[in-house]
Amino acid sequence: QKEVEQNSGPLSVPEGAIASLNCTYSDRGSQSFFWYRQYSGKSPELIMSIYSNGDKEDGRFTAQLNKASQYVSLLIRDSQPSDSATYLCAVNMGGNKLVFGAGTILRVKS
Amino acid sequence: GAVVSQHPSRVICKSGTSVKIECRSLDFQATTMFWYRQFPKQSLMLMATSNEGSKATYEQGVEKDKFLINHASLTLSTLTVTSAHPEDSSFYICSARDSGRSSYNEQFFGPGTRLTVL
Repeated sequence: QKEVEQNSGPLSVPEGAIASLNCTYSDRGSQSFFWYRQYSGKSPELIMSIYSNGDKEDGRFTAQLNKASQYVSLLIRDSQPSDSATYLCAVNMGGNKLVFGAGTILRVKS
Repeated sequence: GAVVSQHPSRVICKSGTSVKIECRSLDFQATTMFWYRQFPKQSLMLMATSNEGSKATYEQGVEKDKFLINHASLTLSTLTVTSAHPEDSSFYICSARDSGRSSYNEQFFGPGTRLTVL
């Protein structure tokens, strides 16, 4: 069964620190990877996508992909209380569909 | 860019009635849209894949006769919950893929519709 796994958390970090969110996936042939942020009661919002091994940076966010280890991560620098949310890792394992992880709850404490 | 709207945002209905939810891609064309359901404190559950001009593909365990999907244009998909019951109360969220960027498989989500069946 195709799976995406995330630690459910909550992950608590102090304001200004780096938050590190991790995700592993089962299908070695997966080609595209996404991080979504979901605030309580709201729908998911796409914040990062990554397709090649290595790092991709966008503002305070850095996505890291290691296909050999089947591992994708999201780093949030200078974490703010407004970053407190559930972060969903999503993987395209072929076809149109994305397989979502259960999400990691992030809490940034001021 | 990549804006998806949903209507209504919230609906309360009586048991046994049908409810239609619209999902529109506002600034791009979407040959494929997706319908998800999310119960409180649970992850997204994909219900079906909506394909423009053809029948939807339903996930295992989702009743196609209860959750009717129509994708009549490149910017509009509708989900109709027929004969709704209290157990259908949930947060229904659609997403859409930009047909012009289909190789990337990004999905952009609508704001969701909160359905409460009394």
